[in-house]
Amino acid sequence: EPEVTQTPSHQVTQMGQEVILRCVPISNHLYFYWYRQILGQKVEFLVSFYNNEISEKSEIFDDQFSVERPDGSNFTLKIRSTKLEDSAMYFCASTGGLNTEAFFGQGTRLTVV
Amino acid sequence: GEDVEQSLFLSVREGDSSVINCTYTDSSSTYLYWYKQEPGAGLQLLTYIFSNMDMKQDQRLTVLLNKKDKHLSLRIADTQTGDSAIYFCAESKRDNTDKLIFGTGTRLQVFP
Repeated sequence: EPEVTQTPSHQVTQMGQEVILRCVPISNHLYFYWYRQILGQKVEFLVSFYNNEISEKSEIFDDQFSVERPDGSNFTLKIRSTKLEDSAMYFCASTGGLNTEAFFGQGTRLTVV
Repeated sequence: GEDVEQSLFLSVREGDSSVINCTYTDSSSTYLYWYKQEPGAGLQLLTYIFSNMDMKQDQRLTVLLNKKDKHLSLRIADTQTGDSAIYFCAESKRDNTDKLIFGTGTRLQVFP
């Protein structure tokens, strides 16, 4: 069964450092997403990406965040200067089209110290 | 507005039925989903229902949708200890992004 893969599974970084979270969506999917889940809280939408551009972003997705699809297979989330409050589980998701099932990766747990 | 609410905790005995409830506020939602999250794991899609349906059954799972009251429920028949997890409902709208709005999650604990 096709799956979305995320690496690393866990990343620890020092405050102020840049991190890049990586995702490989399902190969024929067209819509890509990042979500965040702070420990014990709900899953929150960060950004959606289609046709090589951001289609929507939430208030959380400020100038410190960026996304990229550098090579047609990877989909990355970069946080330029991490803050303690960026510590969370980050989920990547992809869909084949609108109103189709979203497949989620297993998540990357980011810990900022 | 976009807000999805769930009760935080449910405890049931093994073999009993579990009913997890969810309320949403956006009447334009087109699909409503139930996801399962086991400790330290990702989000597993359990089932979903289209907004023009009022019920969907899939093996032990039954989803009921009351559009008038914006109420969604997930019934798990013959609940097993392996069903212990956090269950999230989520809604999506027919727009150009199809983003999901998740509920607060209900922690289901199944005891023997």
